[in-house]
Amino acid sequence: DTGVSQNPRHKITKRGQNVTFRCDPISEHNRLYWYRQTLGQGPEFLTYFQNEAQLEKSRLLSDRFSAERPKGSFSTLEIQRTEQGDSAMYLCASSLYRGGGTNEKLFFGSGTQLSVL
Amino acid sequence: AQSVAQPEDQVNVAEGNPLTVKCTYSVSGNPYLFWYVQYPNRGLQFLLKYITGDNLVKGSYGFEAEFNKSQTSFHLKKPSALVSDSALYFCAVRLEGDNYGQNFVFGPGTRLSVLP
Repeated sequence: DTGVSQNPRHKITKRGQNVTFRCDPISEHNRLYWYRQTLGQGPEFLTYFQNEAQLEKSRLLSDRFSAERPKGSFSTLEIQRTEQGDSAMYLCASSLYRGGGTNEKLFFGSGTQLSVL
Repeated sequence: AQSVAQPEDQVNVAEGNPLTVKCTYSVSGNPYLFWYVQYPNRGLQFLLKYITGDNLVKGSYGFEAEFNKSQTSFHLKKPSALVSDSALYFCAVRLEGDNYGQNFVFGPGTRLSVLP
């Protein structure tokens, strides 16, 4: 179990630039979640995948955000035309979902800290 | 919609004293309840969960939590706090079944400071 890996750990960008983050989940996990966390707040759901299918996006998610999980393994989160309000920690989590939810437990990566100048 | 409240932004406790971090929830249906801990510049780490059964759940690092259905609470406790327990603690709720993206809803977090 190598855990959930996120890259890069930190990203500084100028307003208007595009950024892409990568998440490598625990290998046997079929679900992958993206969350955003700002200072003093809990993780806020962005989107999630079951295998390669993106099952839901938060209503709060701007259309500048897009996520993919092309082969049901790693995932990327892209933010286009970044704004200062996008500055946050972007967390990825994975889980093994077997139906019902009883045993689903999220394993988090260390996150990517985005700073938009 | 389900929600989680953590009424205290900050909890201070002296090392060796018992600690409690409070959590209340609002859901329609049977909740699954979780506690996660976050150390600086790290992701969230699982501490414990309540699914069903005994209302007192034991977890990692000597932590435990008590589920109280009538008060819709799931307070985190530890009999004797350590300085190394200082971190940010998040309570989370998951509904039974599959509710898509709102599967897990997190509280705003409570910062625990254990003073030597």
